[in-house]
Amino acid sequence: DGGITQSPKYLFRKEGQNVTLSCEQNLNHDAMYWYRQDPGQGLRLIYYSQIVNDFQKGDIAEGYSVSREKKESFPLTVTSAQKNPTAFYLCASSNDIYGYTFGSGTRLTVV
Amino acid sequence: QKEVEQDPGPLSVPEGAIVSLNCTYSNSAFQYFMWYRQYSRKGPELLMYTYSSGNKEDGRFTAQVDKSSKYISLFIRDSQPSDSATYLCAMSPQAGGSYIPTFGRGTSLIVHP
Repeated sequence: DGGITQSPKYLFRKEGQNVTLSCEQNLNHDAMYWYRQDPGQGLRLIYYSQIVNDFQKGDIAEGYSVSREKKESFPLTVTSAQKNPTAFYLCASSNDIYGYTFGSGTRLTVV
Repeated sequence: QKEVEQDPGPLSVPEGAIVSLNCTYSNSAFQYFMWYRQYSRKGPELLMYTYSSGNKEDGRFTAQVDKSSKYISLFIRDSQPSDSATYLCAMSPQAGGSYIPTFGRGTSLIVHP
């Protein structure tokens, strides 16, 4: 079945540590996105990529980094510069016409 | 004023009720309108996708767009406890990867037996 796989489902980060969230899709979608979701704040765009080896900052890119070396993969690194990383992170992809397909999310907690 | 306004709720209704979920927006360029359903601790899933004004029906769900009033609605008939979720509206001026949809904050719906 086609879809988006995010891993891990739960992730714990120590202070000062970088962590990487995985996002893989087998939908053959060109565009991929990372969103952060906090209670009561809706979805906020972190980064997006329309083609391999190219990506753009979203509304809250500070403290995050991404890469797009393969069409299927769009990993997100939460760096130590992100001071409030505890949130639910969602990856999505799009075929340009029919909206987004989202993954199941990764819940990141600072310990 | 935010571009897309959506009442966060929660909206609590009895099983079998007709539910109306709404969003208002300020950008008259929006032409593509989407509704997503998100269960707790899951990613959103696309429910309905409409272009421009009018109604679109899919089973118990009806999406309605009134561009003159900048108002969109999602109606759920014969609501079920399994419909309990957060519903997010989203809208975009064009379809395509370069046009990032603007999302509402979501409305939490609780359907009790």
